Amino acid sequence: DIQMTQSPSSVSASVGDRVTITCQASQGISNWLAWYQQKPGKAPKLLIYAASSLQNGVPSRFSGSGFGTDFTLTISSLQPEDFATYYCQQVNSFPITFGQGTRLEIK
Amino acid sequence: QITLKESGPTLVKPTQTLTLTCTFSGFSISSSGVGVGWIRQPPGKALEWLALIYWDDDKRYSPSLKNRLTINKDTSTNQVILTLANMDPGDTATYYCAHRVSYPPGFDPWGQGTLVTVSS
Repeated sequence: DIQMTQSPSSVSASVGDRVTITCQASQGISNWLAWYQQKPGKAPKLLIYAASSLQNGVPSRFSGSGFGTDFTLTISSLQPEDFATYYCQQVNSFPITFGQGTRLEIK
Repeated sequence: QITLKESGPTLVKPTQTLTLTCTFSGFSISSSGVGVGWIRQPPGKALEWLALIYWDDDKRYSPSLKNRLTINKDTSTNQVILTLANMDPGDTATYYCAHRVSYPPGFDPWGQGTLVTVSS
């Protein structure tokens, strides 16, 4: 199985801050990586697919990058609605695996 | 507009078999490249992928649960059914179903989820 390791596990930030979350795969996955946002009590929402492509309707302050084993999700200027938990997911091979999540909290 | 909704029991006893139904609309699971997956999330924990079924009836399972999981589809009723045998308190989780296509890769959208508690 491909292990996905996110860091940090949690981060505190303020509205307007720039935040970066990283995700490392235990082996190369090309660009077969997705990022999801999950708010409390809600289902995850796809933000980014293929490592860097923005899903329709997702604000442009979200961006993704990376290839192979190292990936990042960046939020350029935090908005109040961005405080949530973020997960990476590899879809390169089965079994599909998720990172452990990064909780983004208000400072 | 694609929607999915999970249904099934909210409480099951240990050793019982869980059957969950995902009823969807806005797409056909007979269309090339389409799939429906199941993912679960124990309270306060991370997401765990369980199973995926494709339009051509190709089925994929989590190796850690493969012996207990079965996924099937009913194209006539737009449903995907997941069964998980020999339930244990460690299986307590919110269970989600989600739509999958070949590209863009990923699950989108997801159902609202259903919380299943395993307790005697």
